[in-house]
Amino acid sequence: AQSVSQHNHHVILSEAASLELGCNYSYGGTVNLFWYVQYPGQHLQLLLKYFSGDPLVKGIKGFEAEFIKSKFSFNLRKPSVQWSDTAEYFCAVGSSNTGKLIFGQGTTLQVKP
Amino acid sequence: EAGVAQSPRYKIIEKRQSVAFWCNPISGHATLYWYQQILGQGPKLLIQFQNNGVVDDSQLPKDRFSAERLKGVDSTLKIQPAKLEDSAVYLCASSSGLMNTEAFFGQGTRLTVV
Repeated sequence: AQSVSQHNHHVILSEAASLELGCNYSYGGTVNLFWYVQYPGQHLQLLLKYFSGDPLVKGIKGFEAEFIKSKFSFNLRKPSVQWSDTAEYFCAVGSSNTGKLIFGQGTTLQVKP
Repeated sequence: EAGVAQSPRYKIIEKRQSVAFWCNPISGHATLYWYQQILGQGPKLLIQFQNNGVVDDSQLPKDRFSAERLKGVDSTLKIQPAKLEDSAVYLCASSSGLMNTEAFFGQGTRLTVV
């Protein structure tokens, strides 16, 4: 069965701390990988995406993620978080054939000033 | 570029009533998704359209939920009759095509069933 698992449900960090959010997936076939972010009161928006090529992808606001095919993982990282990064983060996996897109359960990140 | 439009933003109904949500995707986007997001959980895919055809509706509770995209543009999701456990945010998203494209999301409709 297709599934996406995010390791942490709730993460609390102080400003300037480093962030790593884990994401593992189970999905047959060729996949596209995404991280979406939802700031308080706003709609889901794309943070970064991986379709092919360099497994280290860079997104907006200093975020990056690394696709490790052998581990079925796509972890999100940021060297130094800011208070404005407080949001909910969702890992998503899509079939490159059908476009079917499924999400993990999300990680709530709280950054303390 | 206009985003994905959804209406209404909020809806409160009693159990056993019916409700409908409307979505207007980004112009030219062939793929349209409906998701259900229960508080504290990730979005759960209900149905995926490619133009006016259904690509995947394996998670749609077909005894009470229905969706259509008659002209391959706007879409409507209906619940009839609603249950308490249907309380959630219903998200619509669209993408330009099947392969190597990202999905853009609307603001969602928050449904409360009392």
